[in-house]
Amino acid sequence: DAGVIQSPRHEVTEMGQEVTLRCKPISGHNSLFWYRQTMMRGLELLIYFNNNVPIDDSGMPEDRFSAKMPNASFSTLKIQPSEPRDSAVYFCASSNNYSNQPQHFGDGTRLSIL
Amino acid sequence: KQEVTQIPAALSVPEGENLVLNCSFTDSAIYNLQWFRQDPGKGLTSLLLIQSSQREQTSGRLNASLDKSSGRSTLYIAASQPGDSATYLCAVIYRGGGYQKVTFGTGTKLQVIP
Repeated sequence: DAGVIQSPRHEVTEMGQEVTLRCKPISGHNSLFWYRQTMMRGLELLIYFNNNVPIDDSGMPEDRFSAKMPNASFSTLKIQPSEPRDSAVYFCASSNNYSNQPQHFGDGTRLSIL
Repeated sequence: KQEVTQIPAALSVPEGENLVLNCSFTDSAIYNLQWFRQDPGKGLTSLLLIQSSQREQTSGRLNASLDKSSGRSTLYIAASQPGDSATYLCAVIYRGGGYQKVTFGTGTKLQVIP
C-alpha cells in the first residue's frame, strides 16, 4: 500500500510568490496533519483535519497560511505571500483515528524562499 | 502547555551495545505517546505507540515504557546496529484547549559505530 505522498519534494521560489504544497493521505485514514520542521523550533503541528474538516488550526503561524481538504484523498497547504522565514521542511501525516493509532508521515517538502 | 524534553540530544555508541533514550513530558493527562525515527532527508517512521493505559510496548529489539505519573517514557534498543543510526523523536498526544494536541520532543540523534 502506498504511504503518504507529498509533492513537490523540493520548492525554491522568491519571496512574495504563492506556494502550494500537496498531500495525498493513506487511503482509509480519517485524520490528516500538516507539520513544519526547522532547526530552531523542531517539529510543529500547523493544522489537522478529521473527516476532511479542519479541527485545530491554532498552529498556523499567520493568515498568510491556509489549508484545505476538499476530499478524503487530497489536501493542500498554501502560503501567500511567501517570506524567507517560511523556509522549512513541511510534512504531511495521516492516521486512522488520531487518539489511538500511529501517524504515518510523508517524505516532506523542502521549501526555500529566497 | 505541554512541554516534551528528550535527553540526551546526541548519543554515540559502539555496535552491539544496549541503550536507552529518554523522553519527559510535563502534563500527565495524555492519550498516548509515540516514538518515531527520522533518517536524514526523510519523514518520520512510527516505531511504537503506547496508549495512556499501557505500561510498555515491544517490537523486535525495541521496547518502549511509559510512566504517566512521573511524566516519562524510555525507548530501549537492544544490541544496537549501525542501521539504527537516526534521530529518534517522541510525541505526546494530549487534550488542550478543547482539542487533541500533539507536541514533539526535539529528538535524540543516535550514531551506532561499527
